[in-house]
Amino acid sequence: DTGVSQDPRHKITKRGQNVTFRCDPISEHNRLYWYRQTLGQGPEFLTYFQNEAQLEKSRLLSDRFSAERPKGSFSTLEIQRTEQGDSAMYLCASSPLAGGNEQYFGPGTRLTVT
Amino acid sequence: SQKIEQNSEALNIQEGKTATLTCNYTNYSPAYLQWYRQDPGRGPVFLLLIRENEKEKRKERLKVTFDTTLKQSLFHITASQPADSATYLCALEKDSNYQLIWGAGTKLIIKP
Repeated sequence: DTGVSQDPRHKITKRGQNVTFRCDPISEHNRLYWYRQTLGQGPEFLTYFQNEAQLEKSRLLSDRFSAERPKGSFSTLEIQRTEQGDSAMYLCASSPLAGGNEQYFGPGTRLTVT
Repeated sequence: SQKIEQNSEALNIQEGKTATLTCNYTNYSPAYLQWYRQDPGRGPVFLLLIRENEKEKRKERLKVTFDTTLKQSLFHITASQPADSATYLCALEKDSNYQLIWGAGTKLIIKP
């Protein structure tokens, strides 16, 4: 399977704990995106990488959120000191450098903060 | 502020009929618009992209129109099937920086 993969698929954590999610994009895609989605809403942009450079970060993203893409391949999203409001589906997408920025999504990581 | 609107009410269509979904936007001049399909518990799946200089785009039973004057895109599924039941999302590029802004999606239900 050469699609976007995410790990884990589900995560249940207690408030205050740190969590880290991983995304493996389609191998030839230079761009990588992280989104958050809650029920009944569209994806909400969190951050964007072109190769290893983080080029854009949402103003909505608090300092508790950090993302890395160290070698321009896989990416990690870490949430520190989780809050109940962080409960959501976290989606990763990748796209090629050429084209119209059509994005290919992974299955998502569903986070539940108790 | 920039805004995308999709009908929040579910759209119920009889199998075999054409389903038409609407995406309206304000305060944008996007170079292109995209449509995605999302099934429950899964990530969105890219369907079609239409550029500002294209009036219409087709792919099999799908057709998208883009009216930059009305600031509206219509998404049509002809000969609809129950398997087409899903939520359909439209997305626009924000400020030419590769960040997409998304509508909330419209849930489509095709009844046999």
